[in-house]
Amino acid sequence: AQSVSQHNHHVILSEAASLELGCNYSYGGTVNLFWYVQYPGQHLQLLLKYFSGDPLVKGIKGFEAEFIKSKFSFNLRKPSVQWSDTAEYFCAVDGYNKLIFGAGTRLAVHP
Amino acid sequence: GAGVSQSPSNKVTEKGKDVELRCDPISGHTALYWYRQRLGQGLEFLIYFQGNSAPDKSGLPSDRFSAERTGESVSTLTIQRTQQEDSAVYLCASISDSTDTQYFGPGTRLTVL
Repeated sequence: AQSVSQHNHHVILSEAASLELGCNYSYGGTVNLFWYVQYPGQHLQLLLKYFSGDPLVKGIKGFEAEFIKSKFSFNLRKPSVQWSDTAEYFCAVDGYNKLIFGAGTRLAVHP
Repeated sequence: GAGVSQSPSNKVTEKGKDVELRCDPISGHTALYWYRQRLGQGLEFLIYFQGNSAPDKSGLPSDRFSAERTGESVSTLTIQRTQQEDSAVYLCASISDSTDTQYFGPGTRLTVL
């Protein structure tokens, strides 16, 4: 069965610190990979996605993610976080007709 | 432009009562999904509609849960004889055929007392 693991459930950073959120998936076939973000009081929004091509994907607000097929990973990165990045981040894989989500990572950025 | 909308935004009900949740997808999106998000957990797939094909109901947790969709428009998720463990945020998403990306609604927060 497909599954998605997000290793960090809670991350606390100071502004300007670098961010990397881990995501590993289990699925043997071709995958589409996503990161969604949910800001406090708002609904889920797409941050970035990978379907094919360049494994380094750039998304909105300075976020990027790298697909490493050999490691079944799709980690999310940002070189310098801001207080406004405080949110919950979800990694998801689309194997067949449905998104399988990780449990999410809550990021708190302190000024 | 209009996004995915859901109603009600909040629903409080007593155990044993039936509830109906509504989702209005983005116009022109042929596929529609329902997910459930329990407190502190990730999203759990419930059901998927694609055009006029038979829905994928593989995620529905029990026969108390059902969903309908008329054509490529509104969908309703019905939970009969609600239980406290049904308390969660129920999210709807529709998908763009051109971008293959799911767009989520704001969710309905269901509380079963």
